[in-house]
Amino acid sequence: AQSVTQLDSHVSVSEGTPVLLRCNYSSSYSPSLFWYVQHPNKGLQLLLKYTSAATLVKGINGFEAEFKKSETSFHLTKPSAHMSDAAEYFCVVRTIPNSGNTPLVFGKGTRLSVIA
Amino acid sequence: DAGVIQSPRHEVTEMGQEVTLRCKPISGHNSLFWYRQTMMRGLELLIYFNNNVPIDDSGMPEDRFSAKMPNASFSTLKIQPSEPRDSAVYFCASTLSGLYQETQYFGPGTRLLVL
Repeated sequence: AQSVTQLDSHVSVSEGTPVLLRCNYSSSYSPSLFWYVQHPNKGLQLLLKYTSAATLVKGINGFEAEFKKSETSFHLTKPSAHMSDAAEYFCVVRTIPNSGNTPLVFGKGTRLSVIA
Repeated sequence: DAGVIQSPRHEVTEMGQEVTLRCKPISGHNSLFWYRQTMMRGLELLIYFNNNVPIDDSGMPEDRFSAKMPNASFSTLKIQPSEPRDSAVYFCASTLSGLYQETQYFGPGTRLLVL
């Protein structure tokens, strides 16, 4: 079964410093991986996705993630945090890769706090 | 496009009452998913439909929960009778299935509180 593990439940950074949110995956085959963001009392928005193309994936708002098969990781990074980045971030894997009509499996989430 | 539409956005009800949550997927999408978010269990799948047909309802907690999709533009999730432990945020998501149509688009959610 596909699964993801988010290694930190809470990350706190200062505004203007780099962001690193860590995610490891478990998959029987090459996975489809995503990062979603949820701002307080809001829905879920897709940040970026990896679907077996380039291993370095660029997303919205300056975020990017690198797929590393040897480490089974898909960490999310951003060079410089902004106050508006404060939110809950979910690492997500699709139950069947490259199959849009199958469910997603969510990590527990990492809450990102940005300090002025 | 208006995106995925859910109603109501907030629902407060008393234990034992029937609750109906509604979802309108993005026009043209043929897969629809219901997820529930709680502090204890995080985000978990309840049920999903492909082309209006339920595919997997193994995530539905018990017989008190039921979901329907009578047509491509509407789905309901019903809880009868409701219990306090059903309090959660319920999300609907839709996608256009196909090899490269990977993205699930989420609605804003329905925040349910059962007293």
